[in-house]
Amino acid sequence: EPEVTQTPSHQVTQMGQEVILRCVPISNHLYFYWYRQILGQKVEFLVSFYNNEISEKSEIFDDQFSVERPDGSNFTLKIRSTKLEDSAMYFCASSEVGTGSDNEQFFGPGTRLTVL
Amino acid sequence: DQQVKQNSPSLSVQEGRISILNCDYTNSMFDYFLWYKKYPAEGPTFLISISSIKDKNEDGRFTVFLNKSAKHLSLHIVPSQPGDSAVYFCAARYLDSGNTPLVFGKGTRLSVIA
Repeated sequence: EPEVTQTPSHQVTQMGQEVILRCVPISNHLYFYWYRQILGQKVEFLVSFYNNEISEKSEIFDDQFSVERPDGSNFTLKIRSTKLEDSAMYFCASSEVGTGSDNEQFFGPGTRLTVL
Repeated sequence: DQQVKQNSPSLSVQEGRISILNCDYTNSMFDYFLWYKKYPAEGPTFLISISSIKDKNEDGRFTVFLNKSAKHLSLHIVPSQPGDSAVYFCAARYLDSGNTPLVFGKGTRLSVIA
């Protein structure tokens, strides 16, 4: 069964450093998403991406964040200068379509980001 | 601002009994609701969904009920099995154009005791 994969599973970084989280969505999916979950809190939407551009972003997704689809398979989330409060589990998701009831989003296993 | 609320952080149920997980929402613009299950060290896995034009959707042991007037939905698992032990997230979204994001609740940890 096709699945969303994410690397690395755990990333430890120093405050102020740049990190890139990588995702390989399901191959025939066209819509991509990043969500995060701070420990003990709910899963929160960050950004959605379609046709090589951002479709929607939340207020969390400020200028420190960027997304990119550098090739036909990878979807990346970059945090330019990490802060302590960026420590969270980051989930990538993809869906085949963007609208309607068939828009089931499939999630990857997550990358745990720890900012020291 | 919690648009999707799961007020019970945890629930324990005996194997074979019914598990009922509840979810409330405040945004009347939501018209599609989903339940995801999450095991430790894994991402959320889609379980079942319901459109706002329905009040019930059933898939095997899982049934979701929607009460639009009360802005309330519930997930019933019958019979509960130890493998159902996981965190269950309620999520909601709009069925409009574009890839609409999911709005999640905080989750309810279900423990099914053998």
